Amino acid sequence: EAQVTQNPRYLITVTGKKLTVTCSQNMNHEYMSWYRQDPGLGLRQIYYSMNVEVTDKGDVPEGYKVSRKEKRNFPLILESPSPNQTSLYFCASSLQVNSPLHFGNGTRLTVT
Amino acid sequence: AQSVSQHNHHVILSEAASLELGCNYSYGGTVNLFWYVQYPGQHLQLLLKYFSGDPLVKGIKGFEAEFIKSKFSFNLRKPSVQWSDTAEYFCAVNAYSSASKIIFGSGTRLSIRP
Repeated sequence: EAQVTQNPRYLITVTGKKLTVTCSQNMNHEYMSWYRQDPGLGLRQIYYSMNVEVTDKGDVPEGYKVSRKEKRNFPLILESPSPNQTSLYFCASSLQVNSPLHFGNGTRLTVT
Repeated sequence: AQSVSQHNHHVILSEAASLELGCNYSYGGTVNLFWYVQYPGQHLQLLLKYFSGDPLVKGIKGFEAEFIKSKFSFNLRKPSVQWSDTAEYFCAVNAYSSASKIIFGSGTRLSIRP
């Protein structure tokens, strides 16, 4: 089944403790992206990747890192999480950047 | 800077009412346009898309949208809503000149009274 898989679904952590949210897609998509969803703000792009080893900042990249060592995986790394990073995170992929996005099920992160 | 505006934050309708959700974008060049739906507790799914051709596009579940280039709009419509349409709806735009970016609107929450 074609899908984007994110883990974990829920994560509660403390300020400053490094964490990684994994994202994997099995559709051989070139484009992958991370979004955060906050009430009233919709989806804001954190980072995106056009292909392996090609990543770039979105609209709200501060406090986040990504890597794209393989085509299928695009992990999101928070080196030192802060409470303002409490949010719902979605990973998405598409064949190309202007193709429809396929979304993962989301990761609800709480930073205390 | 490019932006996407969804002016209706929360819409409440009764079943069988007609629906129109507004979406305006601020970009003058060629664009690809999308509507996504997020049912409660789920991830976003594609409703419909416009790339070129007929400006009236039909999507899943009876939804349609009309691209009006002169108004920079891509409004979503459904003639008769059902309780199961309760969800949040997002408009998204990909501009050809900034090919790597997809901008989402802030979303419209639709509540349907049974």
